[in-house]
Amino acid sequence: GENVEQHPSTLSVQEGDSAVIKCTYSDSASNYFPWYKQELGKRPQLIIDIRSNVGEKKDQRIAVTLNKTAKHFSLHITETQPEDSAVYFCAVREGGTYKYIFGTGTRLKVLA
Amino acid sequence: EAGVAQSPRYKIIEKRQSVAFWCNPISGHATLYWYQQILGQGPKLLIQFQNNGVVDDSQLPKDRFSAERLKGVDSTLKIQPAKLEDSAVYLCASSLGQGIETQYFGPGTRLLVL
Repeated sequence: GENVEQHPSTLSVQEGDSAVIKCTYSDSASNYFPWYKQELGKRPQLIIDIRSNVGEKKDQRIAVTLNKTAKHFSLHITETQPEDSAVYFCAVREGGTYKYIFGTGTRLKVLA
Repeated sequence: EAGVAQSPRYKIIEKRQSVAFWCNPISGHATLYWYQQILGQGPKLLIQFQNNGVVDDSQLPKDRFSAERLKGVDSTLKIQPAKLEDSAVYLCASSLGQGIETQYFGPGTRLLVL
């Protein structure tokens, strides 16, 4: 089955700096890669996603890059703001089962 | 558009007791997921339904957990008997169908087993 690793587990950045979170996966048949933001006590919210036929996707300050050969994808947040502070999860959808495997999460702190 | 609804929001029980959670997905969503999220970890899939059929339940502890989606709409997840390690947030999510991937999560049920 699929195995997803996420790094780092915690990340502190100064307001205005960039943050990068990386996930690796094992199954080359996996074909969909969403990123979720979860604030304390709240539900995960989809912030951006990418499909296996695309290398990069951007939405304002957030971007995701996918390297299928190396089996890793990354979340990039530019010009970070205090409200970006949360736990971020990557997820991978297995190609054959449509099952989602989540990473272990990254706690991002944006320091004002 | 109404979101995914879950109830109850919080539940405290003693070990060996039973508990049930309810989920109503977004109208028209064929796929329904139940996840367990232990504090500090990512969501772990327990069971996935496509309409009223089970797609994957490989990580569901079937000796104590059960789930059903009889009419292909709302779903219940039951734990009987509960153990201390079942303390977690139980998240329900739905998506339009297996070709449309975006999952929408409900607010979750926070379970504490004493």
